[in-house]
Parts: sequence; C-alpha cells; structure tokens
Amino acid sequence: EIVLTQSPATLSLSPGERATLSCRASQSVDGYFAWYQQKPGQAPRLLIYDVSNRATGIPARFSGSGSETDFTLTINSLEPEDFAVYYCQHLSNWAFGGGTKVEIK
Amino acid sequence: QVQLVESGGGLVKPGGSLRLSCTASGFTFRDYSMAWIRQAPGKGLEWISYITSGDPTIYYADSVKGRFTISRDNAKKSLYLQMNSLRTEDTAVYYCARSLRWRFDYWGQGTPVTVSP
Repeated sequence: EIVLTQSPATLSLSPGERATLSCRASQSVDGYFAWYQQKPGQAPRLLIYDVSNRATGIPARFSGSGSETDFTLTINSLEPEDFAVYYCQHLSNWAFGGGTKVEIK
Repeated sequence: QVQLVESGGGLVKPGGSLRLSCTASGFTFRDYSMAWIRQAPGKGLEWISYITSGDPTIYYADSVKGRFTISRDNAKKSLYLQMNSLRTEDTAVYYCARSLRWRFDYWGQGTPVTVSP
C-alpha cells in the first residue's frame, strides 16, 4: 500500500509569491497522480491529474510535476483565492496525502 | 452542469446504521465510476469505497470493509452507502464523487454523519 506524505504541513506566504508543495510516495509510482484544493466549508476541487494536466477551468498559474516518488504542485503568483488546503492523491487505493495548508503570511 | 447531491446523514448511536444517498444530474450516470470519500472533523480526506460502471466492481478501504456497502441504481441516477455497525471514528462529512478514469473530477457538497452515544 502506497503512503503519500505531504510537506510542509503549513506554508505561510504572501499574495504574489510562489508556492511549492511537495508530495512523496512511499514507493515509486506511475503517472496516476493528482492534486486537489479544498477551501473551508467546501468540497475538494480537482486541480491537476496525471501529474501535470490541469483540470477544466484551472488557471495556468497552477502546475504539477514529478516522477517516481517525488511530486510537486507549484502555484505561481498566489492570488487571494488560492489560500486553502491542498491534497495529493494516487490511484493506488485512491490514497490521499495528509494535506498542506497554504496560509496568508 | 454536473451536480452531485448527498443526503441521509445525521446523528446515530454507536452500533447503529445509516444509508447515504447521492443523486446525480448533468451527465450520463451509468457511464461513470463513483466513489465515497469522507473527512473527519479537522482531518484530511479518506477514500472509503469505489464502484465501477457497467457490471460493477467494488472496492472498500480496510477501515469500513465488512460494515459499509456501496451500491448504485443507474435508473435513478443514484449512488448509495449503507453504513452498519457505526463507530465514533466514523464521524465525518461524507462526499460522493464522480470518477473520470481514476481521478475524482466532481464532488458533492457532502453530508455530515455524527456517531455519538
């Protein structure tokens, strides 16, 4: 069973800065990797699938990359609406990481 | 547009049962796999069950295997989760989600379940 570990747990940044979120898999995985955003009181929203493909309607400032055990979500130039919790996910057991909270510094 | 609406959550005592429903609209329900994911208060996301389209194959997380049953009624465009032998640790918001290939591309707003004496 694959375990996904996200870091950092909290990221404190200012609007306009770049956010780099990490997700490490406990073993090498294939490309079935996704990222979700969740705002307080809302359901999660799919951002990125298959490592680097943006979901419908997701702005270009969101990008995904990585391979084998290390995957990254990058948010270029944070907008106020980007402050939220982000989860990574892999196909294996549809496992989710523990989440990274991006908060306003 | 795609909509998923959960219902059936509420307060139940340990050992009790609940049946959650998820009604879909805006897409051809029978063509998609579906899933239930939950989120305990202040915690992260936990996938708990998945049902494929067609002649369905079903998967469960170990935490609910043998206690929860997922099912679907394509004619009613509905997904269900029968939850038996509920425990306090099952307290969570329960989301249904549509699965496009393997990822969850649309989610409902969630229905809260509280298991408490």
